Amino acid sequence: AQRVTQPEKLLSVFKGAPVELKCNYSYSGSPELFWYVQYSRQRLQLLLRHISRESIKGFTADLNKGETSFHLKKPFAQEEDSAMYYCALHSGGGADGLTFGKGTHLIIQP
Amino acid sequence: GAVVSQHPSRVICKSGTSVKIECRSLDFQATTMFWYRQFPKQSLMLMATSNEGSKATYEQGVEKDKFLINHASLTLSTLTVTSAHPEDSSFYICSARLAEGGGYNEQFFGPGTRLTVL
Repeated sequence: AQRVTQPEKLLSVFKGAPVELKCNYSYSGSPELFWYVQYSRQRLQLLLRHISRESIKGFTADLNKGETSFHLKKPFAQEEDSAMYYCALHSGGGADGLTFGKGTHLIIQP
Repeated sequence: GAVVSQHPSRVICKSGTSVKIECRSLDFQATTMFWYRQFPKQSLMLMATSNEGSKATYEQGVEKDKFLINHASLTLSTLTVTSAHPEDSSFYICSARLAEGGGYNEQFFGPGTRLTVL
């Protein structure tokens, strides 16, 4: 069975500092990896997907199959980045839902 | 972007009653919708996959007779919590899958429904 691990429940950094939210996964096949973000009192929304290899709001994430990781990074944190971040895995195929990590609460201090 | 709505946003009911939660894709058709459950300060757990025109697929440990899912149209899936008990109190979130070519799967999430069973 697949699993997603986010080791940090809470991460607090100062504005302007680099941010790295860790995500490790276990899955025997070729997964699709996502980062979702949930701002206060808002719904879950997609931030990044590994397939597109894009940068959204300054965030990037690289899939490292050797280390089975998909860490989320941003070089300079901004206060508006404060939110809950969830790493998620899709095992492939059309009918399966997502497997989520437990989430990391990111707090950016002024 | 694709929008998913849920109704109601919050419901309080007495133990033993049934509660229906609706999930709608507002500007796209969704052949597949998903229902998740989130306990306080915990992650989302997939409960079931709802397929239009066919029976839902439930995750291990989720009682299908307890959580009835109906996906009668391409834009609507409903979750009915039957004979609700206090332990069913939770945040229920639906998502709808937007399929693209090449097996890519992006899901759009509803705002969630807070169920409190007294």
